[in-house]
Amino acid sequence: DQQVKQNSPSLSVQEGRISILNCDYTNSMFDYFLWYKKYPAEGPTFLISISSIKDKNEDGRFTVFLNKSAKHLSLHIVPSQPGDSAVYFCAASGESNFGNEKLTFGTGTRLTIIP
Amino acid sequence: GAGVSQSPSNKVTEKGKDVELRCDPISGHTALYWYRQSLGQGLEFLIYFQGNSAPDKSGLPSDRFSAERTGGSVSTLTIQRTQQEDSAVYLCASSQGGLSNEKLFFGSGTQLSVL
Repeated sequence: DQQVKQNSPSLSVQEGRISILNCDYTNSMFDYFLWYKKYPAEGPTFLISISSIKDKNEDGRFTVFLNKSAKHLSLHIVPSQPGDSAVYFCAASGESNFGNEKLTFGTGTRLTIIP
Repeated sequence: GAGVSQSPSNKVTEKGKDVELRCDPISGHTALYWYRQSLGQGLEFLIYFQGNSAPDKSGLPSDRFSAERTGGSVSTLTIQRTQQEDSAVYLCASSQGGLSNEKLFFGSGTQLSVL
């Protein structure tokens, strides 16, 4: 049972435009959400996170939005740059795992920025 | 070291053989995780070590899989009698204290191919 879902396996966006990556989750115990970015032949690297007490977190070109009632979060990248081309993983953790950052990951979305 | 180090980066083995994968976490990080990514799948949690506590083995897919962490630092993931479905990228990650709001630092992974 996939508790974190990224329904779009791939996305292509023109350079300079906005990239929107979506993620849905089913476990209502999740209260902390993260996005990781992965380049080929490298491990994932942390990008941005959001706690369930907030509905928006912004860091430079990256903004994560959380809609708890819909169990949905999204990552916005604006403006998109060629270096943003990577696989993006959504991840979640919950206070039920107190003291244990055992993240549940989605299947990833491959973002391609077209110059 | 500067980051999480994994070896080997690639491993090709025959079905039925045993393999050992090594992970060197970031110095001082008390939490260590193993994940794997099979083709077309998300990152699947395998096992978690936190300090001297008993490891969380809830993600290990079968009793052919085991892991150790010696001296609170280096970890070895062992897969006995490998099967073709074990083929995946095995990723190790560490974090400072294992709290739910800490980010994970991943290694580059070991690409395991079972023929």
